Amino acid sequence: TQLLEQSPQFLSIQEGENLTVYCNSSSVFSSLQWYRQEPGEGPVLLVTVVTGGEVKKLKRLTFQFGDARKDSSLHITAAQPGDTGLYLCAGDNYGQNFVFGPGTRLSVLP
Amino acid sequence: NAGVTQTPKFRILKIGQSMTLQCAQDMNHNYMYWYRQDPGMGLKLIYYSVGAGITDKGEVPNGYNVSRSTTEDFPLRLELAAPSQTSVYFCASRGTGTYEQYFGPGTRLTVT
Repeated sequence: TQLLEQSPQFLSIQEGENLTVYCNSSSVFSSLQWYRQEPGEGPVLLVTVVTGGEVKKLKRLTFQFGDARKDSSLHITAAQPGDTGLYLCAGDNYGQNFVFGPGTRLSVLP
Repeated sequence: NAGVTQTPKFRILKIGQSMTLQCAQDMNHNYMYWYRQDPGMGLKLIYYSVGAGITDKGEVPNGYNVSRSTTEDFPLRLELAAPSQTSVYFCASRGTGTYEQYFGPGTRLTVT
C-alpha cells in the first residue's frame, strides 16, 4: 500500500513569516501534486511536479520534487492570511489513481 | 461548463438506509474518482473509473458500489449505511494525458 506522510500536521504563523511543509513516502510516484483546500470546498490544484529534482515557483510558493521522486516540499515566502487552508499532497500512481497525504493545516494570522 | 457537479450537498441517513450520491461532469473526462474525507484528514479513494463501463476499487471500497454507464455520470451507491460512513464525499474527474483532477463541491453525509 502506498502511503504519503505530511509534516507538520498543523502550523500557525504570523503574516510575513516563511514556512516549509513536507510530503514524504517510501514509494516512487510518477508525479506529485499539491492542492489547497478551503473549508466547505473541494481541493484545488496548485502544481504538479513530474521530474526528479524539479523546482516550480508559483508567485510566493516554491515546490520541489525529490531526486528519487518519493518526497516533495512546499515553501511559502512572506505568508499572507489568504494562504490559510489545508495543503494536501497527492502521488500519481502511474496515471491510474492518486494517493493523498493527510494534509497540513496552515493558519496565517494577521 | 459546469465542471463537476454533485448532489445532494447534505444528507442525513439512518443506520441501514441506502442512498445514491450523484456525480456528473461535462468536460468529457475519461477518468473519474470518488473520495471520502473524514474531519481534519486527507482524502481516501473509494472507487475510480478510467472510462465508461470500467470501474475499479480504491483504498476503502467496502460498503460502496459504483457504476459508469456513461462518460458523464459516476454515481456512488451506499447500501446499508453505517455510522462509519459519516464523511464528506468528493467526486473528481481528470482528462486523459493530463494531471489535474477537478473536484466537485462535495456531499456531506451523516449516518445516525
